Amino acid sequence: GAGVSQTPSNKVTEKGKYVELRCDPISGHTALYWYRQSLGQGPEFLIYFQGTGAADDSGLPNDRFFAVRPEGSVSTLKIQRTERGDSAVYLCASSLTGLADTDTQYFGPGTRLTVL
Amino acid sequence: AQSVTQPDIHITVSEGASLELRCNYSYGATPYLFWYVQSPGQGLQLLLKYFSGDTLVQGIKGFEAEFKRSQSSFNLRKPSVHWSDAAEYFCAATTGGGTDKLIFGTGTRLQVFP
Repeated sequence: GAGVSQTPSNKVTEKGKYVELRCDPISGHTALYWYRQSLGQGPEFLIYFQGTGAADDSGLPNDRFFAVRPEGSVSTLKIQRTERGDSAVYLCASSLTGLADTDTQYFGPGTRLTVL
Repeated sequence: AQSVTQPDIHITVSEGASLELRCNYSYGATPYLFWYVQSPGQGLQLLLKYFSGDTLVQGIKGFEAEFKRSQSSFNLRKPSVHWSDAAEYFCAATTGGGTDKLIFGTGTRLQVFP
């Protein structure tokens, strides 16, 4: 079956602009995660959705970052007033239930964001 | 604070040689532990995971990992490396029971020489 997809695969923007990154999870997966991977680092957690609600947004670095999942499937990560430090690969993952002891997070290929 | 440490940034091995990638964790309680592999242009793929029980875990592609509570370690091993194993390997952990967000190490890049 289809895996997690993310669009666009690459996004180049200018400092101060607004960007939206999209994630299509595996069909039927209720849990959705966003991570950010900077160069030479492991992925860092940003936000977790269970269904339509953000169950944990403790990883969002500041209020310029926001994410939604209005219908419990597709999610959009929104970044306002982008800064050069936002440049990274943004990864999306989904899992069937969100329970780590019985479940697996499946990752998409990521969106590489470059802020000039 | 909870953390995962991968001490080796880069490892080079010859094809056919054995491999061990190190991972240490710092958690209040024993976390759930994972190894993921990331190839260029590919998403992270789960190799194996440990929740409880047998401390030697078998995964895909011939990999295994051993959980050692006394050393707070979860090292990944493979008896004979193939050129296609060249990739970035990440150890990760979560405490479960809620968000189940993963905390990742910084990764180990594996290079395989023919």
